[in-house]
This record gives sequence, C-alpha cells and structure tokens, in this order.
Amino acid sequence: QVTLRESGPALVKPTQTLTLTCTFSGFSLTTSGMCVSWIRQPPGKALEWLARIDWDDDEYYSTSLKTRLTISKDTSKNQVVLTMTNMDPVDTATYYCARTTTVTNGFDIWGQGTMVTVSS
Amino acid sequence: QSALTQPASVSGSPGQSITISCTGTSSDVGGYKYVSWYQQHPGKAPKLMIYEVSNRPSGVSNRFSGSKSGNTASLTISGLQAEDEADYSCSSYTSSSTWVFGGGTKVTV
Repeated sequence: QVTLRESGPALVKPTQTLTLTCTFSGFSLTTSGMCVSWIRQPPGKALEWLARIDWDDDEYYSTSLKTRLTISKDTSKNQVVLTMTNMDPVDTATYYCARTTTVTNGFDIWGQGTMVTVSS
Repeated sequence: QSALTQPASVSGSPGQSITISCTGTSSDVGGYKYVSWYQQHPGKAPKLMIYEVSNRPSGVSNRFSGSKSGNTASLTISGLQAEDEADYSCSSYTSSSTWVFGGGTKVTV
C-alpha cells in the first residue's frame, strides 16, 4: 500500500523559510519511473503545482516560484523535502505531496496535506 | 504559466450526464497527452480520476470518462450520483517542463 504523509510547521512568520517533509512508504524513489511532487492549495482556491523530484535526481520547479524553492530527497529515509524561502501571507495554504509514476504521468497517490499559515 | 480554464460550477440531476471542460493552449493541453483529472471532496486530498486524457486508474468507476479536442480536455460523468458532488480539477504537463492545474469546477448534484 502506497502512502505519503506531509509534516512541518503549522505557522511561520513572514520572511522565514518553510521546510516541509514528505515521508512515504510502499514505493522507492530509487525505482525507475517514480517521482514525488509538491502541490499547494490556498483556502478556497485552486491547486498549484510547486516542484517535482524524480528517481534519477531530475528536479523541476514552478516557473513563478523557482527562485524560492528547493526540493531534495533522502532515499534511505524515504523522504522528500521542500524548502520555500521568504514566506509571505499569500503562501498560506494546504501543502500536499503526491506521487507520480511515468506509467500514469498523473498525481496518483496524495498525502492528506498539511496546513501552513504565514502570519506575524 | 497561466492556470487552465474551467467553469466555476456545473450541476445536474441524479442519473444525468455532465461534462466539465478544461481549456489551455498548444503549450499544455493541446500539445501533450498528459492531461489528468482530480476529484476533491471538502477537507480531503484530491483523488486521481483520469490520467493521460482518457485512462481510468484501477478502482475508478467507468461512469467517469475523459477526452480531448485541440486545446480543450473534457471530463464526463454519466449516471450522476450524489457521491459525485465534489470539486474537480484538471492538470496538464507544459512545454516548460512544469505542470499546471485548472481553477477547479464545483459539481452539484
């Protein structure tokens, strides 16, 4: 059974750096075709794709947020980490991690999400 | 990358069919087969319903179907049921090697 779970702070101050961890099970990021993305959703608004890391270490970033994002993986811990710098209240959202495989090329399994509020 | 365009809301009666559109450009929806659809109930994570334009993951009802024509993809729900009431979002791969979502459509049964 494939599962993903997001963890990180519920509250961050403006200008701080957010670090989120996605811990997954049921698959390995060393297996060809496996990928993990981060996606966020502000309250009452649309989903927004942020970043993706692949089994072969390729990284992809949202064009508009590229300068603020870093994605990395620790295959020994089955974790993917997203850092976002210079947080602003508009970054308040539920942050999801989701698996993609090159079989479906869709986000086929999602974590339950973690709500992050940016406020002083 | 601009979000894909979806209608804000679509409604239908039980048993009817509805179609949700998702309009992009030749740089995303029109240029690739990597269009997917997600169902999201309030307070829950999205669920993959359709991938690669028209494929259903195992376990998804065959009442859900997808298609694409030019720069517009569509999700059709046939035999509408109360449990289908949710938000639906489309997503596409883009020529910038990124992914873009639609604004979401609220389906009311």
